[in-house]
Amino acid sequence: AQSVTQLDSQVPVFEEAPVELRCNYSSSVSVYLFWYVQYPNQGLQLLLKYLSGSTLVKGINGFEAEFNKSQTSFHLRKPSVHISDTAEYFCAVSYTGGGNKLTFGTGTQLKVEL
Amino acid sequence: GAVVSQHPSWVICKSGTSVKIECRSLDFQATTMFWYRQFPKQSLMLMATSNEGSKATYEQGVEKDKFLINHASLTLSTLTVTSAHPEDSSFYICSARDLGELGYNEQFFGPGTRLTVL
Repeated sequence: AQSVTQLDSQVPVFEEAPVELRCNYSSSVSVYLFWYVQYPNQGLQLLLKYLSGSTLVKGINGFEAEFNKSQTSFHLRKPSVHISDTAEYFCAVSYTGGGNKLTFGTGTQLKVEL
Repeated sequence: GAVVSQHPSWVICKSGTSVKIECRSLDFQATTMFWYRQFPKQSLMLMATSNEGSKATYEQGVEKDKFLINHASLTLSTLTVTSAHPEDSSFYICSARDLGELGYNEQFFGPGTRLTVL
C-alpha cells in the first residue's frame, strides 16, 4: 500500500522569503508524484508533476520540486513567496499500473504574511 | 487546458432528501471520473471510480446505496447522495481523466460542491 506524509500542517512565512513544503511517500513500486494547490472553497489545481526523467521538476507560479528516490521525498520549494501563494498544498502519489488513483497527503497550509 | 465543471457549487438541503451533483468534462472526453470527499481542513478521500457505461467501483467503507454514481456519457458523471443526513455535509470534488504525456492519464479536478444538510 502507498501512503503520503506531509509533516507540516501549517507553514507561516514572510512575503519574499523562500519556502519548502515537505512530502514523503512510501510505496513498493514505481510512483508518479504530484503537488496540488487548493484555494478556499475551490477545487485542486495542479502545480507540478513527476512522471519520469529529470528529478527536478518546475511547475507553475514559480514552484519547483525535486524527486529523491533514496529518501522517498518530493519536497516543494519556491525561492520567493507572494501573498497570493497563501493556500492549502497537497502532495499526492499514484503508482504505475494503479489505474491512476491518487493518494493524497493531509495537506500543508501555507500562510504568507507581510 | 482540460476543464471540469461541477453543478451546483453549493447546496443546502433538508435531512432525508436526496441531492444530485453533476460533474462534466467540458473540452475532452473522460472515460473515467473520480469522486472525492473532503472534510473541513482535511485531505481528499477517494469515494469511487466511475467508468463510462459500467458500474462504479467504490472504495472500502463507502456505501454504494447511499452514494449513487452514474456515468452515462463520456462527459458527464453524477453523484446522488440519497436520504442525506447532517453527517453527509461535506465538500465533494470530482475529477476527470484524460490521456496525458507518457501514457499517464492525468486527472483534472472540478471546483467542488459544498453540501450542507440541515
